[in-house]
Amino acid sequence: GAVVSQHPSWVICKSGTSVKIECRSLDFQATTMFWYRQFPKQSLMLMATSNEGSKATYEQGVEKDKFLINHASLTLSTLTVTSAHPEDSSFYICSASYVRRRGETQYFGPGTRLLVL
Amino acid sequence: SQQGEEDPQALSIQEGENATMNCSYKTSINNLQWYRQNSGRGLVHLILIRSNEREKHSGRLRVTLDTSKKSSSLLITASRAADTASYFCATLRSNDYKLSFGAGTTVTVRA
Repeated sequence: GAVVSQHPSWVICKSGTSVKIECRSLDFQATTMFWYRQFPKQSLMLMATSNEGSKATYEQGVEKDKFLINHASLTLSTLTVTSAHPEDSSFYICSASYVRRRGETQYFGPGTRLLVL
Repeated sequence: SQQGEEDPQALSIQEGENATMNCSYKTSINNLQWYRQNSGRGLVHLILIRSNEREKHSGRLRVTLDTSKKSSSLLITASRAADTASYFCATLRSNDYKLSFGAGTTVTVRA
């Protein structure tokens, strides 16, 4: 149980285009999903916290207009990188936590590698 | 933001040896977790230790937590080549229930 999927697993796009990444909890309901970014040889940095039915909360320094997050249901959150630039190239990882266990254990997706040319 | 620091940054050991890595953090925590990440892949949850626990075991893994020193250690015993990966500690902050990751330790196990 507690499987989280991400789609796509990797994407290459041209500079200026927008890219949407999906995060799904496959066998549980998640009121909260988290989006992280990881640059090569670095650690995971939390970008934003997504709660079902409400606006996402962004970490300091993360542009909310550039990284649009939608958490429309208890099993799906999407991250859209708008007007992507080469510096947005990174590994994006989502995680989800159970409804009743507030954040105690987060289940991570396999990640999406984004390369912006 | 990151609050954890890990040392060493990199560790190279022979198969069969033990690997120990340490993690320090700054704020009050609910629990501390260790994850493994193989190159270019997602995270694998290894073990969780709560703030009121001092030691926990899982298979070849042993984790300690010292809340007075705000530090934790992960010991992998009898290492195998398959243990080659990056290991991250992550603290669940008490104030906002967000995970904050350490910088990670890259472990290479030589056959």
